[in-house]
Amino acid sequence: NAGVTQTPKFQVLKTGQSMTLQCAQDMNHEYMSWYRQDPGMGLRLIHYSVGAGITDQGEVPNGYNVSRSTTEDFPLRLLSAAPSQTSVYFCASSYRSPMNTEAFFGQGTRLTVV
Amino acid sequence: DQQVKQNSPSLSVQEGRISILNCDYTNSMFDYFLWYKKYPAEGPTFLISISSIKDKNEDGRFTVFLNKSAKHLSLHIVPSQPGDSAVYFCAASAGHKLSFGAGTTVTVRA
Repeated sequence: NAGVTQTPKFQVLKTGQSMTLQCAQDMNHEYMSWYRQDPGMGLRLIHYSVGAGITDQGEVPNGYNVSRSTTEDFPLRLLSAAPSQTSVYFCASSYRSPMNTEAFFGQGTRLTVV
Repeated sequence: DQQVKQNSPSLSVQEGRISILNCDYTNSMFDYFLWYKKYPAEGPTFLISISSIKDKNEDGRFTVFLNKSAKHLSLHIVPSQPGDSAVYFCAASAGHKLSFGAGTTVTVRA
């Protein structure tokens, strides 16, 4: 029972490099989202998707792109990494909106931009 | 501007005693509230939730209280156990967006 799988677990990037954080879930959940966790800030919503082909911005979307071509996958792209994007990133999924149903989180990706 | 605030970054409690975690919010449109628990190097896991139409929800050792007039909720853990040592996040929702507090680190002493 894999749940929500994020890859990679750790990544170091140079400023200006691009990369994609992968997220996959095997629970057939419609709703998926990306958060970043920074010290003293809690988790902040970057982007979310209510189903395949539908995405929307969260609280801190600048510098990130997403797409949702399948129900299972929801990759997060950093187009030109900046030191301010150093953070721990979590992907989450839920059967419906996580506002009133349990959201399942991946183990996180720790990203350092130097 | 954080709409969900957990003003106590840490809490230390003796095993067997009650842990009380507090959370305040500013957005009156929030209609659902959740608590998540997080261990180091793991993702958060759902703990308990409460709708804005209720003032209390209980699940085993965990009880959440909601005071809408004060825009305040709390999580009670009774009795506290060593496995409860973790970071606890309060979250609140309006529409499709979930807002989290900064978290409270709970340490349960033997």
